[in-house]
Amino acid sequence: DQQVKQNSPSLSVQEGRISILNCDYTNSMFDYFLWYKKYPAEGPTFLISISSIKDKNEDGRFTVFLNKSAKHLSLHIVPSQPGDSAVYFCAASSNTGKLLFGQGTTLQVKP
Amino acid sequence: DSGVTQTPKHLITATGQRVTLRCSPRSGDLSVYWYQQSLDQGLQFLIQYYNGEERAKGNILERFSAQQFPDLHSELNLSSLELGDSALYFCASSVLTGDTEAFFGQGTRLTVV
Repeated sequence: DQQVKQNSPSLSVQEGRISILNCDYTNSMFDYFLWYKKYPAEGPTFLISISSIKDKNEDGRFTVFLNKSAKHLSLHIVPSQPGDSAVYFCAASSNTGKLLFGQGTTLQVKP
Repeated sequence: DSGVTQTPKHLITATGQRVTLRCSPRSGDLSVYWYQQSLDQGLQFLIQYYNGEERAKGNILERFSAQQFPDLHSELNLSSLELGDSALYFCASSVLTGDTEAFFGQGTRLTVV
């Protein structure tokens, strides 16, 4: 039962353009959402988060949007840089303690 | 450096054996999570502890068990190992449970031969 889904396994964008990574969830009890970045052979690194009481959170080049009615969140990276190439995971948590992750999207930013 | 330490970094063992993976959380973090990542797949949630007590359970096999000690470090025990248990095992820690970001260690790569 995959409660957090990233339906696009990969995404390729040109340097300087916008990268949009998408994530869907099924459990309406989730109240906190996070994005992580992962390089091979390393642990995931926290990027940005958003509470369910908000619909947008911005941190530099990274913005996360939350659409609760659609149970959908997205991560926008503007402008994209080659160093952003990595696997991006979305995650969702609730006060039950579970922190669940999607399958990941591999982003490639081409110079 | 996330502040979360996992040991060992690599582990090679035979089928049927038992291993213990160790995790030291960031200073001040009370919550520890364990995840399994197989073959570049997603992070499968195994179990979470909060201040020494089990808080949430995911798809953890009965052959696997975990605990969190009074000093807040945690251990994941894997027994009767099978080839399919070969994976990266990650530990993460956070201050609270829910509504807070978790920070990951570098992982332990387990190879069962």
